[in-house]
Amino acid sequence: EAGVTQFPSHSVIEKGQTVTLRCDPISGHDNLYWYRRVMGKEIKFLLHFVKESKQDESGMPNNRFLAERTGGTYSTLKVQPAELEDSGVYFCASSQEWGAVDEQFFGPGTRLTVL
Amino acid sequence: AQSVAQPEDQVNVAEGNPLTVKCTYSVSGNPYLFWYVQYPNRGLQFLLKYITGDNLVKGSYGFEAEFNKSQTSFHLKKPSALVSDSALYFCAVRDHGGATNKLIFGTGTLLAVQP
Repeated sequence: EAGVTQFPSHSVIEKGQTVTLRCDPISGHDNLYWYRRVMGKEIKFLLHFVKESKQDESGMPNNRFLAERTGGTYSTLKVQPAELEDSGVYFCASSQEWGAVDEQFFGPGTRLTVL
Repeated sequence: AQSVAQPEDQVNVAEGNPLTVKCTYSVSGNPYLFWYVQYPNRGLQFLLKYITGDNLVKGSYGFEAEFNKSQTSFHLKKPSALVSDSALYFCAVRDHGGATNKLIFGTGTLLAVQP
């Protein structure tokens, strides 16, 4: 079974540019999550999809961040325009059933550097 | 507010010795607790979880964790450390009965096992 994949693995952009991160969850997993780890601090929750619907987006830092999950499969996270403080590692995770206490399976992360 | 604390940034242990990585939590209800490990250039891998029942939980790679409700702790343990256990370890909590599946992570503890 393929795991959670993320693309790209690294991205270096200038302040003010736009970047789009992609996550492909494990096939059949209804739940998809985005997290971010900044500057060696704790991993922080950004948002949670159940299928194509946003269940919880309380962790999104501001309206420069836009997440989508069209068709309930892969998800994209767009940052527009990027700021210096957006640098960090963005993790995607998926789990199977809404309401179950399943472990979340994480992707390898996308390391975003904003110069 | 829910939170997780990992009081040690780094734990050093000699190969063959027992290891403990500490975690304490704060939630409003009963917690679901998780340990994840991140090896260099890899995503987070699930180690074990506590939902209910036996306070001693066994997980992958010979790790176990002890849930202590009175001390609000969930320390990760292994009887005999291996050099290959060297990695970054994260404790996480999910609020029981919460409306979201999101995980609240600690800041991580770097485990260094010396040969």
